[in-house]
Amino acid sequence: NAGVMQNPRHLVRRRGQEARLRCSPMKGHSHVYWYRQLPEEGLKFMVYLQKENIIDESGMPKERFSAEFPKEGPSILRIQQVVRGDSAAYFCASSFSTGEGSYNEQFFGPGTRLTVL
Amino acid sequence: AQSVTQLDSHVSVSEGTPVLLRCNYSSSYSPSLFWYVQHPNKGLQLLLKYTSAATLVKGINGFEAEFKKSETSFHLTKPSAHMSDAAEYFCVVSSTDSWGKLQFGAGTQVVVTP
Repeated sequence: NAGVMQNPRHLVRRRGQEARLRCSPMKGHSHVYWYRQLPEEGLKFMVYLQKENIIDESGMPKERFSAEFPKEGPSILRIQQVVRGDSAAYFCASSFSTGEGSYNEQFFGPGTRLTVL
Repeated sequence: AQSVTQLDSHVSVSEGTPVLLRCNYSSSYSPSLFWYVQHPNKGLQLLLKYTSAATLVKGINGFEAEFKKSETSFHLTKPSAHMSDAAEYFCVVSSTDSWGKLQFGAGTQVVVTP
């Protein structure tokens, strides 16, 4: 069973370009989470998605960032008009399900390291 | 609301000596607590988790952690460090009043010297 897949592993963009980060959850997992890790910091929650639905986007910047998890295909984190401050490692995690008040382990991908020049 | 504080940003130990990584948490509800490890350029791996069962939790690779409600602590220990333990460790809290959102500490970088 392959783990969570993320691509690309490294992405370089110039200021003003768009960045698209892809995440394929583990087989059988229908819940996807995106986190951002800035240098010397822990991971910060960005968004939680289920198939075709955004459940919680309280950690997403209000502008330029968007996420989707279509019925078919990987989850996409999209950053428009990137700035140097967007340089970070972006991690995706997936889980089988979440019940209210319970925890289901989140399995993390290897991350995409975005560098904005 | 919940938060987690890792008290040491860097820890250096000699191979074969004990490891102690300190973590304090704050949570309005009964928390679930976790320790994750991140090796360079790799994803995060779950070491162990506490979800209101036994307060002493055993994890993988010889690690264990003790939940102390009176001290709001969840320190991670290992009796004897191995070179392969060199990595970054994150203490994480998940509140049971939500869908399981994870709140990460800032991390502790562990260096193991021969």
